[in-house]
Amino acid sequence: GAVVSQHPSWVICKSGTSVKIECRSLDFQATTMFWYRQFPKQSLMLMATSNEGSKATYEQGVEKDKFLINHASLTLSTLTVTSAHPEDSSFYICSATPGTGRRDQPQHFGDGTRLSIL
Amino acid sequence: GIQVEQSPPDLILQEGANSTLRCNFSDSVNNLQWFHQNPWGQLINLFYIPSGTKQNGRLSATTVATERYSLLYISSSQTTDSGVYFCAVDPGTYKYIFGTGTRLKVLA
Repeated sequence: GAVVSQHPSWVICKSGTSVKIECRSLDFQATTMFWYRQFPKQSLMLMATSNEGSKATYEQGVEKDKFLINHASLTLSTLTVTSAHPEDSSFYICSATPGTGRRDQPQHFGDGTRLSIL
Repeated sequence: GIQVEQSPPDLILQEGANSTLRCNFSDSVNNLQWFHQNPWGQLINLFYIPSGTKQNGRLSATTVATERYSLLYISSSQTTDSGVYFCAVDPGTYKYIFGTGTRLKVLA
């Protein structure tokens, strides 16, 4: 149980295009999901918290206009990298926790999306 | 904000050896998880362990929350154990902060 699916797993696109990444909780509902970014040989850095039915909250230094987050349902959050440039190339990964408001459960992670901007 | 440091940063083992990975955190935490990131980037959840000790096969983990550290033990290591190990902590904000990671290579 508690499976998080992320799509696509790998994408290459030209500079200036926008890329949408989906994160779905397959067998549970999640009012909150999280988006992380990982550069090569570095740790995962939290980018933003996706809240169902309300605006996302972004970590310091993350451009909200560059990384648009939509959490339209209890099982789906999307991250859109707008006008992507080579420096946006990275590994993006989402996570979610079953339930609402409970803080005593593990987070479950998707398999990540490797984004390469040419 | 909370700082999460892992040691050692790099570790090379011969197959069959045992190892201990450490995660130190600078403030109290509500939740803690250990992950193994494989070469394809997938995060494999090893333990959810905000306190106490757990074991799963050749792996075990101990968190001493009052002293702000957690340990991951790997016994009889195998080449498939290679990868990066992360601890991640929730300092009560419901957000997980990842540690610096330990890169493990197990040689045949």
